[in-house]
Amino acid sequence: DTEVTQTPKHLVMGMTNKKSLKCEQHMGHRAMYWYKQKAKKPPELMFVYSYEKLSINESVPSRFSPECPNSSLLNLHLHALQPEDSALYLCASSQEGRASKTQYFGPGTRLTVL
Amino acid sequence: TQLLEQSPQFLSIQEGENLTVYCNSSSVFSSLQWYRQEPGEGPVLLVTVVTGGEVKKLKRLTFQFGDARKDSSLHITAAQPGDTGLYLCAALIAGTYKYIFGTGTRLKVLA
Repeated sequence: DTEVTQTPKHLVMGMTNKKSLKCEQHMGHRAMYWYKQKAKKPPELMFVYSYEKLSINESVPSRFSPECPNSSLLNLHLHALQPEDSALYLCASSQEGRASKTQYFGPGTRLTVL
Repeated sequence: TQLLEQSPQFLSIQEGENLTVYCNSSSVFSSLQWYRQEPGEGPVLLVTVVTGGEVKKLKRLTFQFGDARKDSSLHITAAQPGDTGLYLCAALIAGTYKYIFGTGTRLKVLA
């Protein structure tokens, strides 16, 4: 099983709303990622968690707040977003201790900020 | 700065034609992945190549990792409309959890 799941599939929110994106994997992977992808561009890394600790924050604005409650779950809390934050948000995971360290992606959440 | 340069950026071909996409870097990588992505969906893993000179086949797709592990190619034989999508190469920066992505190749196969 190489599945990463993400909910919701689509999300529309106002600039004053608070919402959360959720990601789950049951492959035993210990590294989990959040990416932002704009149309016709490659994914841009936002955050990396390794063994449930934040390992990389790519200077992401504080209106995005990641959380890793356990090794299988990854959340992205959203607050006071801007219209330019509208994008496809992708979650991914990869396995530790393997030379290939292949990254597997979820289907994404299409976020629209009004 | 480590970069993955992908070419061509766009490709529009007729069904049945062959094509090759390239992913090049001046850096050495321990492995490299190829993904295909459709609009509004997450990238789907096609292959991981690990060994220099390695060739992997997935039906009509052939992937090669350069001998020096700095570059890779994806060759599609007899392209079909179902091959349409964005093709991305990606590689892990050694000693980190950070992956870098190529700029992508947008392929359109016309029936």
